[in-house]
Amino acid sequence: GALVYQYPRRTICKSGTSMRMECQAVGFQATSVAWYRQSPQKTFELIALSTVNSAIKYEQNFTQEKFPISHPNLSFSSMTVLNAYLEDRGLYLCGAEDGNTEVFFGKGTRLTVV
Amino acid sequence: GDQVEQSPSALSLHEGTDSALRCNFTTTMRSVQWFRQNSRGSLISLFYLASGTKENGRLKSAFDSKERRYSTLHIRDAQLEDSGTYFCAAEASNYQLIWGSGTKLIIKP
Repeated sequence: GALVYQYPRRTICKSGTSMRMECQAVGFQATSVAWYRQSPQKTFELIALSTVNSAIKYEQNFTQEKFPISHPNLSFSSMTVLNAYLEDRGLYLCGAEDGNTEVFFGKGTRLTVV
Repeated sequence: GDQVEQSPSALSLHEGTDSALRCNFTTTMRSVQWFRQNSRGSLISLFYLASGTKENGRLKSAFDSKERRYSTLHIRDAQLEDSGTYFCAAEASNYQLIWGSGTKLIIKP
């Protein structure tokens, strides 16, 4: 079956430092990978959508300078949160699909900034 | 832009009762998924529907096949383990997934 492994599951970083999270797709080709953030007590907001062989599209309020994403092949994507501050804390989720089926999600990376 | 309106925002039920959650879409959607998020934040996929209905145990979901502008999630005979926050997420025509605001469900003994 199709699975998405996301890691780390939890991370704590000091204010102003950076952290990277990764997603690995298994059992299907992740032609599109979307990264979301769920801030405390809120719903999921789209950070950016990455499609292989296309430019990564960032949503308003999110930039490549702050959330650089790599999507080098059909099974892997990573996103870094640069210079993390308190407002960046929350649950980060990657969702991947092959364009023909449902989106499969990782279990999320919970970021705490201290 | 495209929006998903999820209701209710919160719901408290006694064990054994039935309930329904709903997501309305401001435009035609390609598909819808339903999730439950537990207290630890983990997201559990419940249903993926491109049309019609699906049933799994006490849960049943429907996606309006005609205009594709709403979806429902029915919970039958609610149990304590059904507690959590439920989200719908709909795939728009541009393939982007748009999330509802969530329904916080509490099941009381």
